[in-house]
Amino acid sequence: EAGVTQFPSHSVIEKGQTVTLRCDPISGHDNLYWYRRVMGKEIKFLLHFVKESKQDESGMPNNRFLAERTGGTYSTLKVQPAELEDSGVYFCASSQVGRADTQYFGPGTRLTVL
Amino acid sequence: GDSVTQMEGPVTLSEEAFLTINCTYTATGYPSLFWYVQYPGEGLQLLLKATKADDKGSNKGFEATYRKETTSFHLEKGSVQVSDSAVYFCALSSMIKAAGNKLTFGGGTRVLVKP
Repeated sequence: EAGVTQFPSHSVIEKGQTVTLRCDPISGHDNLYWYRRVMGKEIKFLLHFVKESKQDESGMPNNRFLAERTGGTYSTLKVQPAELEDSGVYFCASSQVGRADTQYFGPGTRLTVL
Repeated sequence: GDSVTQMEGPVTLSEEAFLTINCTYTATGYPSLFWYVQYPGEGLQLLLKATKADDKGSNKGFEATYRKETTSFHLEKGSVQVSDSAVYFCALSSMIKAAGNKLTFGGGTRVLVKP
């Protein structure tokens, strides 16, 4: 069974540009989470989808971040326009409904904003 | 709100040494507790978990016991190997339904095991 995949693995962009990160959860996992780790600090929750619906987006830092999950499958996280403080590693995780306490993480996307 | 505090690293050990990484938490109710590990160049992997007080999670020689009275979940391994070199994250998941099982992480502890 394939694990959670994320694309790209690394992205380097200029301040003010747009970047879109993609996450493909494990097949059949309705829960999908986005987290990020900035500057070697704690990994922080961003938002949670159940299928295509946003269950909790309390961790989204501001309106420059837009997450979508079309059809309840893969998810994208768009940052527009990117700022220097957005640099960090963005992780995606998925879990089954009913087993939401066991989340499986992807390898992360390292975003560098110059 | 929920929070997790873990000892800062890096922790440098010799092979076969005993490893302890301290983790304490603050949470509403009775959270589930986790240790995740990130090996170099890889993503986060669930190492072990405990869902209620006095439960002991164990995996790959690592153990941690859910201590409600001290709000702690310290990670231990009796004899580390070079392959245990990684960053270890303590985390909790609130069991409040509205929280959606989102994880709250500690800052991570880098462990380096030397031969």
